[in-house]
Amino acid sequence: KNEVEQSPQNLTAQEGEFITINCSYSVGISALHWLQQHPGGGIVSLFMLSSGKKKHGRLIATINIQEKHSSLHITASHPRDSAVYICAVTQGGSEKLVFGKGTKLTVNP
Amino acid sequence: DTAVSQTPKYLVTQMGNDKSIKCEQNLGHDTMYWYKQDSKKFLKIMFSYNNKELIINETVPNRFSPKSPDKAHLNLHINSLELGDSAVYFCASSPRDRAYNEQFFGPGTRLTVL
Repeated sequence: KNEVEQSPQNLTAQEGEFITINCSYSVGISALHWLQQHPGGGIVSLFMLSSGKKKHGRLIATINIQEKHSSLHITASHPRDSAVYICAVTQGGSEKLVFGKGTKLTVNP
Repeated sequence: DTAVSQTPKYLVTQMGNDKSIKCEQNLGHDTMYWYKQDSKKFLKIMFSYNNKELIINETVPNRFSPKSPDKAHLNLHINSLELGDSAVYFCASSPRDRAYNEQFFGPGTRLTVL
């Protein structure tokens, strides 16, 4: 079993819908990352968080350290949000990133 | 201004050849990484260097040898290429501070071994 599990693997939504992607992890961490991989292949860091909640535009990331769980929410989704969203954790005491397998999001107009 | 750059973007080569991928960052970061993304899009760390010193070396065949001439560059040399080496290789960098290591990724190098 992977140390970082994401769900769902694939997600299709209509424009305007509220989207939630979940991430659970089984190791001690110093931080959790949400990354976005565009259809063209480039990877961008969206959030890095170790507690609570962060918001950037229409994106919100939350983390519950006790439950070892994080969620990425997208409000008012748009076709340009279509991408693969990857959860990754920095293992405690190292700079090593361990990745989930990603969630492929497709937002239809 | 390119933050993390990789060359080449595409690399097609025959089995058994030796090839290199170069990475440079102009962010002033101390730590650099190589990641491999397989055909199922799963990312996995290969190596990490901090200020030219190897700090993470995952279970990678010794045909793969990273080289860091200075803290702004981390190159990846691969000997005796195999079909299974076909993947997208991403370079990344981050500040040294362990409390804040947001990573900045290069555009990736798609390696195809025929």
